[in-house]
Order: sequence, then structure tokens, then C-alpha cells
Amino acid sequence: QSVLTQPPSASGPPGQTVTISCSGSGSNIGRNYVSWYQQLPGAAPTLLMFSQKQRPSGVPDRFSGSKSGTSASLAISGLRSEDEADYFCASWDDSLSGYVFGNGTTVTVL
Amino acid sequence: QVQLMESGGGVVQPGTSLRLSCAASGFTFSKFGMHWVRQAPGKGLEWVAFLFYDGSNAHYSDAVKGRFTISRDNSKNTLFLQMNSLRAEDTGVYFCARDGTVYCGGNCPRGFDSWGQGTLLTVSS
Repeated sequence: QSVLTQPPSASGPPGQTVTISCSGSGSNIGRNYVSWYQQLPGAAPTLLMFSQKQRPSGVPDRFSGSKSGTSASLAISGLRSEDEADYFCASWDDSLSGYVFGNGTTVTVL
Repeated sequence: QVQLMESGGGVVQPGTSLRLSCAASGFTFSKFGMHWVRQAPGKGLEWVAFLFYDGSNAHYSDAVKGRFTISRDNSKNTLFLQMNSLRAEDTGVYFCARDGTVYCGGNCPRGFDSWGQGTLLTVSS
């Protein structure tokens, strides 16, 4: 059971917006940075978002991140077929003195 | 560009040991902390360990604490993971990843910004 909780799946037609939530606690998301990772089928993960809402160079602005209290969210607008992937949130946890990942969300473009 | 290449995976029996390596290139290795992250077949990502840029301190997940040791050779741009007392639940793909924040020791803001392709470990009798 993951320390950070994500919905197992999310979906939408092309062009729509999908939002993925990541629920944690005061020892992780509540006081620490959140990052998001995309893992395409059969590939290694790649960094999608850091410090809650900062995009690495090369990541389209269709992807946006936010944080409020002990939860974070990743929104994908203008959904495209190439967005079909698994998405994971992550944060440092003060109680564990280590990083924790969410259980992952599979995004399907209908 | 940043490149990370893991090696050393394989099929081993429970209770045995194995050492993974991660060869880094394309950046100043000694400035960045490094992570090991694993993924069991069909499952999500699990953080395993983090080592400071200079090797002075490390953090481990509870699942591997006391059994795994993360280390590095900055003169050879290489990260290691020594795994002892292996269990079936250690089976999975092991990725090394760079922490994107220079000289950071934890709760680093820039995430895991580069990943290798992974090496597969199977623990089975």
C-alpha cells in the first residue's frame, strides 16, 4: 500500500482535460516538494513536473501541476493519444526519511 | 547529454547477494545525488535508496534497510547497489536516477531528472 494515493485510472477523449490527484499527509506533500513522472509502455520513467508546478524543458504546457495542503494534482489538457501512459507522483517523507511514490494512474485516451 | 546505464541484473536464488552498477556520463557526476528506484513486474515505482553527491550519507526505504547498501565511485562516475539476503519480493527492474538538484541531501526540489533504462533482477529458487 503506497503512502501517496492516486486513482488507478483516468480517461478522456482527445482534446479533453484529465486531472490526476495525489493524496498524502503532513509528513510528505504537506511540507515537501512534489514531482510527477510519466512512464510510457515499456519505457523508463521521465520527469514531467518538479516543485509541484515547474515543467522541465521539453515538457508541453498542456501539462500543469498544483498543490494544496496535503494533496497535489496533475492536469493534462488537450489530451492526445501519445499521453497514454502511467503517471506517478512522488515526494520526500519526513517521517520515513526517504522518498515515496504514489501507486500510479494509467491514463487512457478514448 | 546525460546518460545512465545500469548493469548487473540477473537470476539469483533467495538469500544470495548481487551488486548492480550504474555508469553515468554527460554531466559532472560528483555534484549530484543519485537514487535507485525499482519496479516489480506489472507494479508501480518504489524508491529504494538515495546517496549524497559526495557519498557521505545515504537514505533507504524500510523494505531494504539493513540488506542493501548504496555507494558510488566519483572517480569512475559509477553508482552501485549491493544487495544482500535477497528475497522474492526484491524481483523487478532496477533503475538508477539522478537527482536534479546539485549538492542536495534530501527533499530536493528538482525531482529525479534523468533515468537509466533499468536492469532486471529475478529472485527465484
